[in-house]
Amino acid sequence: GAVVSQHPSWVICKSGTSVKIECRSLDFQATTMFWYRQFPKQSLMLMATSNEGSKATYEQGVEKDKFLINHASLTLSTLTVTSAHPEDSSFYICSARDLTGTGRSYEQYFGPGTRLTVT
Amino acid sequence: AQRVTQPEKLLSVFKGAPVELKCNYSYSGSPELFWYVQYSRQRLQLLLRHISRESIKGFTADLNKGETSFHLKKPFAQEEDSAMYYCAPRVASGKLIFGQGTTLQVKP
Repeated sequence: GAVVSQHPSWVICKSGTSVKIECRSLDFQATTMFWYRQFPKQSLMLMATSNEGSKATYEQGVEKDKFLINHASLTLSTLTVTSAHPEDSSFYICSARDLTGTGRSYEQYFGPGTRLTVT
Repeated sequence: AQRVTQPEKLLSVFKGAPVELKCNYSYSGSPELFWYVQYSRQRLQLLLRHISRESIKGFTADLNKGETSFHLKKPFAQEEDSAMYYCAPRVASGKLIFGQGTTLQVKP
């Protein structure tokens, strides 16, 4: 089946620094990618939707200047947490959906997640 | 308000017992409905979608538009079914919106 990878799988950074998380679709073209945030023992909260070649659409309450999303190619989306603070510590999960017909268009494939800890 | 509700945070049953994980939604239109499962230390994966009306790993889910429910059922739970289960409507914009999740614990 289709695979979505994330890098890094975990990262620790100091408060005030920026961190970039990559999300790649390995064997299909992801015209749309989604970024979620998951707190311990809680559900996934959608942060933003990114479409290849256009600006991301952010959910209400998500700071677009804080969480920069770039979807420059059909296989790569990046989430940059700028000026990270301890409250940004969380599990970030990306998912990708193939709408070009190279995969099963109804399914959304999830990455393994990235654990961010801001000290 | 548009929302998806999974009323049980934890469902604990013995092996061989029937299982029903509840999901109610209140989205307008006719959203596609999915169940996703997350086993311990694994990524989220699709379990079922209402359009296919299939049975996966013994699980089925019937969409009840009148009650706006999409409950997940299995007649005989197995220990390997222990996991976190999420109900997720996909709304008109294409976004998947996740319920709060239900942890299913199947005891031996």
